[in-house]
Amino acid sequence: KNQVEQSPQSLIILEGKNCTLQCNYTVSPFSNLRWYKQDTGRGPVSLTIMTFSENTKSNGRYTATLDADTKQSSLHITASQLSDSASYICVVSEGSKQKLVFGTGTRLLVSP
Amino acid sequence: DSGVTQTPKHLITATGQRVTLRCSPRSGDLSVYWYQQSLDQGLQFLIQYYNGEERAKGNILERFSAQQFPDLHSELNLSSLELGDSALYFCASSVEGTGDNYGYTFGSGTRLTVV
Repeated sequence: KNQVEQSPQSLIILEGKNCTLQCNYTVSPFSNLRWYKQDTGRGPVSLTIMTFSENTKSNGRYTATLDADTKQSSLHITASQLSDSASYICVVSEGSKQKLVFGTGTRLLVSP
Repeated sequence: DSGVTQTPKHLITATGQRVTLRCSPRSGDLSVYWYQQSLDQGLQFLIQYYNGEERAKGNILERFSAQQFPDLHSELNLSSLELGDSALYFCASSVEGTGDNYGYTFGSGTRLTVV
């Protein structure tokens, strides 16, 4: 069964600190992996997208990594800001049908 | 503003009733996708339309239906509502039949509460 699992479920960090969120997937065949940021009550907004051949992608203070062999991805947030408080969702696109499989997200709270 | 417009933002209705959610895709996008997000759950794909035609179907209940009109806006109809249908309903759009090349743009969602 195609699944995307994220950890931790929730996380609290102090403003200015770094953190890393994890994503493991069993989706096959693999097409690409996206990280989205979802503010409370809003729709997801794309942060990064990586294909099979890419193992790192940055977007400002956000850096995503992908290990297609172990089917793992991480999202590293550097020098966190209060505005980073949100849910971060890992989404894997299943290759044959181009169907998106969503993780349940990691809820990040950045505390002053 | 993402460019994808969903109305209404909030909806409260009673069990057994029928509601219609509306989505206007980003200008130029031909595909519309509907997703359901229940409390603490990941987004579940319901259905996709591409240029007026149904393209893909996910975990959509028979009580639910959707359509995409010639002006490319889409409506999701939910009938015989149950308490478990309470959720956030998101619409997304993409330029092509898949967002793999140019991405997906999500609306802000409609929060449906069934009482």
